[in-house]
Amino acid sequence: AQSVTQPDIHITVSEGASLELRCNYSYGATPYLFWYVQSPGQGLQLLLKYFSGDTLVQGIKGFEAEFKRSQSSFNLRKPSVHWSDAAEYFCAVGAAGAGSYQLTFGKGTKLSVIP
Amino acid sequence: GAGVSQSPSNKVTEKGKDVELRCDPISGHTALYWYRQSLGQGLEFLIYFQGNSAPDKSGLPSDRFSAERTGGSVSTLTIQRTQQEDSAVYLCASSWSDRAGANVLTFGAGSRLTVL
Repeated sequence: AQSVTQPDIHITVSEGASLELRCNYSYGATPYLFWYVQSPGQGLQLLLKYFSGDTLVQGIKGFEAEFKRSQSSFNLRKPSVHWSDAAEYFCAVGAAGAGSYQLTFGKGTKLSVIP
Repeated sequence: GAGVSQSPSNKVTEKGKDVELRCDPISGHTALYWYRQSLGQGLEFLIYFQGNSAPDKSGLPSDRFSAERTGGSVSTLTIQRTQQEDSAVYLCASSWSDRAGANVLTFGAGSRLTVL
């Protein structure tokens, strides 16, 4: 079974600073990888996804993530954080094999932004 | 509809009571998921429906939990004899893709359940 680890529970950055949120997965084959964002009181919104091909994927709101097979990682980055980026971020993995339809989520990283 | 709709948005109940949570997915989405989000615990998969196939119930934590999906659309998650540890946000999501593992989920805003 697949699993996801987000090592950082809470990160605080200053507005305008760069951001990297870490995600490590465990899965025996090439996984499908996702980053979702959740604002307070809201459901989760897809930021970006990796299925295959180019390992650097672009998402909405200026976010990008890089799939590194050798490190089993899919870290999320943004060059300049805005105050509106304050939210909780979830990494998720989907199994590429048949018959497994659930996404496994990490426990999330809460991002606070200092003005 | 335009998005995934969940009701009620908030539910406070007494221990031992039954509760029903409703999810109305995006029209045309064939897949529907329920997840539970507890404080600091991330999202826990509960159940998955895909078209007319038998649901994947592997994530339901006990036999007090059940879910159904009528007519391939609206779904109801029922928790019987609620316990305090059932307090959480219950998230519903739907998807148009049936490719295993590659589904892009659209989430509702969730139903926050508080068991006193």
